[in-house]
Amino acid sequence: GAVVSQHPSWVICKSGTSVKIECRSLDFQATTMFWYRQFPKQSLMLMATSNEGSKATYEQGVEKDKFLINHASLTLSTLTVTSAHPEDSSFYICSGLQPWGNQPQHFGDGTRLSIL
Amino acid sequence: GESVGLHLPTLSVQEGDNSIINCAYSNSASDYFIWYKQESGKGPQFIIDIRSNMDKRQGQRVTVLLNKTVKHLSLQIAATQPGDSAVYFCAERSGSEKLVFGKGMKLTVNP
Repeated sequence: GAVVSQHPSWVICKSGTSVKIECRSLDFQATTMFWYRQFPKQSLMLMATSNEGSKATYEQGVEKDKFLINHASLTLSTLTVTSAHPEDSSFYICSGLQPWGNQPQHFGDGTRLSIL
Repeated sequence: GESVGLHLPTLSVQEGDNSIINCAYSNSASDYFIWYKQESGKGPQFIIDIRSNMDKRQGQRVTVLLNKTVKHLSLQIAATQPGDSAVYFCAERSGSEKLVFGKGMKLTVNP
């Protein structure tokens, strides 16, 4: 149980375009979803926390107008990288959290984004 | 806080040996701890968790030990297999606050 599906797994696009990444919890309701960015050989860096039906909370230094997050349902959150540039190239990972008790976050398999 | 580094620490073991991966956490108020395994090109996979009211928890071939006095967490893997090769992250959380990840340790299992 507790499967998170992330799509696409890999995307290449031109500089200036916008890219949308989807994160779905397949067998549980994720009242909270998290978006991370990971650089090679480094740990996960939290970008933002989104709660279903409300605005996302962004970490310091993360541009909310650059990285648009929508959490419209208990099973879907999306991250849109707007006007992407080469420096936005990275591995983006989402996770979902069930609403009760001390539970682990369950992660998707990430999206490799390459901006040319 | 967040950990940043250019080079991951590495642990190399022989297949069949036991592995111990250590983690020092920073927040004495943390009450929930998780170990994740991340294979190349994939997202972190949950291995085992432990709450602060416990000092040991066992799973299948894995054991997590928690020493709150020195803020130390360890993951023991018995009879390590090549499929255990991955990067392992510890993570801590205090109440409903965000999860904080450690730097990660790369485990390489030699056949």
